[in-house]
Parts: sequence; structure tokens; C-alpha cells
Amino acid sequence: GAGVSQSPRYKVTKRGQDVALRCDPISGHVSLYWYRQALGQGPEFLTYFNYEAQQDKSGLPNDRFSAERPEGSISTLTIQRTEQRDSAMYRCASSPLDRGTTFFGQGTRLTVV
Amino acid sequence: DAKTTQPPSMDCAEGRAANLPCNHSTISGNEYVYWYRQIHSQGPQYIIHGLKNNETNEMASLIITEDRKSSTLILPHATLRDTAVYYCIDFRLPGGGTSYGKLTFGQGTILTVHP
Repeated sequence: GAGVSQSPRYKVTKRGQDVALRCDPISGHVSLYWYRQALGQGPEFLTYFNYEAQQDKSGLPNDRFSAERPEGSISTLTIQRTEQRDSAMYRCASSPLDRGTTFFGQGTRLTVV
Repeated sequence: DAKTTQPPSMDCAEGRAANLPCNHSTISGNEYVYWYRQIHSQGPQYIIHGLKNNETNEMASLIITEDRKSSTLILPHATLRDTAVYYCIDFRLPGGGTSYGKLTFGQGTILTVHP
């Protein structure tokens, strides 16, 4: 596609429910990143993939958070047993292999009530 | 944690040059200087990057000091649409040890362009 596509754009979920956020990167981009952004703060790194391999997951806050990219293209970030503190904007980004020229999607606004 | 430091906010008159400074006190030899900006609630947008030479593209110019401890992003003729948060980032390419590949954002500089 023309840009990084994320879905849904908005998600409201009840505390304790699981959510799955989807990212479709720019075609041909090998590296895919997930970031989380709180209001008024810069994006915070969560995890990233090269192809289907998860290179770094040091930013995932705890084991309720996981991500996968099974075929090296679309990625899913899953949050299990959501908590109110998980409410944030979740942004996906992609780039050619390991480059800092990264293109961000519009994000998914997650609200846990 | 972000490795760079930036002023929290700056103002600029429309049509004038906006010069945004950044300190890279701990930058290492295998790290590039990258600049991004974020307009309102949009995703961050890449602006420009450099290693040690000055760079220019259609969006901006980047000046990096010889010791690479500071850089300045220059928007030559700021417009109202340039109002945004601007981030400078030290980015490590693969082969530079651990923690490569990811962008570490700080608080950035809120640039407000006035009519």
C-alpha cells in the first residue's frame, strides 16, 4: 500500500479483555516496529521485527504484551487481560532493513474502560 | 531513555528561519543524527539525517558540529504548517552493538510558528 496501515483506528475495550492490533507495513519494507505513545509524550519503543524474526522485544512492558509477524509482512500486537494503564496510542512503523528512515502509521487509539 | 536534549519550546515568525538545536552529549561514532517531527496527532514524520557532514533536502537543512555533540535543524522559511513537535534522535545502525534499529524519542521541542 501507499503507507503504513493500522486497524482499527479506535478501540474501546473493557478491562480484562484481550485486544489485537493490526499493522500492514509499506510493501517491501523488511523492518517493522511497534511504539506506544502516551498523551504529551514521545513514542516509546515496544518491539521490532526484521522479516518474521523478532529482533528486539525489550520495550514490551510485561508478558501480557506480545507481537508476531508470521509471514514477514502483516504484524499483530496482542494485549491480554487489558488494564486501564494500557490506554494509549499504539503506533506501527516500517522501514527498509534496519534504517532510521521510518514511516509511521496513523496509530490505533486504545481506551480501556 | 533519550540520549539527546532539546529546549522544550520555541517560537518562530512565519516566513523566517527556524533553527532548532539539539545536544548529543553521548553520541558514538556509529550513530547517525536523525530528525523527526510530529504534527498534532499524526504519526512522526522523518525529516532528515546525517553522520558528520551538513545535509540539505527539500524539507530542511541539518548542521552537525565537528565534534558531533550538537546539531541544528534549520527550516529556512517556516510556515504555519511547520508547527509541530520536533525530535532529534541518535540512531545506531546494525553492527554497532546492541540496541540498534530502534528510535528513542525524547520530549522534543514544540515549535510554534506565528502569523
